[in-house]
Amino acid sequence: AQTVTQSQPEMSVQEAETVTLSCTYDTSESDYYLFWYKQPPSRQMILVIRQEAYKQQNATENRFSVNFQKAAKSFSLKISDSQLGDAAMYFCAYRTTSGSRLTFGEGTQLTVNP
Amino acid sequence: EPEVTQTPSHQVTQMGQEVILRCVPISNHLYFYWYRQILGQKVEFLVSFYNNEISEKSEIFDDQFSVERPDGSNFTLKIRSTKLEDSAMYFCASSAQTLSNQPQHFGDGTRLSIL
Repeated sequence: AQTVTQSQPEMSVQEAETVTLSCTYDTSESDYYLFWYKQPPSRQMILVIRQEAYKQQNATENRFSVNFQKAAKSFSLKISDSQLGDAAMYFCAYRTTSGSRLTFGEGTQLTVNP
Repeated sequence: EPEVTQTPSHQVTQMGQEVILRCVPISNHLYFYWYRQILGQKVEFLVSFYNNEISEKSEIFDDQFSVERPDGSNFTLKIRSTKLEDSAMYFCASSAQTLSNQPQHFGDGTRLSIL
């Protein structure tokens, strides 16, 4: 069974600084998808960034980028130039290419300090 | 931007009662999902639904649970006889496709409290 682990329950960053959130996963599949979702307080989870395992190039979306290390089964999220609106719970998630379920990590609560 | 909407935002029910959680997925989406998050635990997959039938379900999704798309717009989760351990946040999601990198779009969730 696939598992996803986020070892940092809480992280904090100063506004305008850079922060990296960690995620590791365990799978025997060779092809799969990885996602980072953001959940602001009392709001819905929204997709931040996605990565296909067959792509070697790391995904980037504006200030958000990932460091995907397939051999190490690591998928960290880097947030550059952090803004107050980035404060949220961040979930790492995994999905196989043959199934529909997302497997989530525990979540990391990010605080952005002004 | 279109959103997944869930009602109610908070449901309080006596143990043993039936409860129905409602969701309106994004209108052109064809795949629908339910997840739950017990307080302090991970978000867990319950079920996925396509073309009026369950396409995948987890071991959590036992005979107490059922899903339905009763009228072409709503997607419901029914818990037949609630137990204390059913207390959780329930999230509905939808996607345009499933076996691709297309993301699942989530609602705000319904907090279910069983007394």
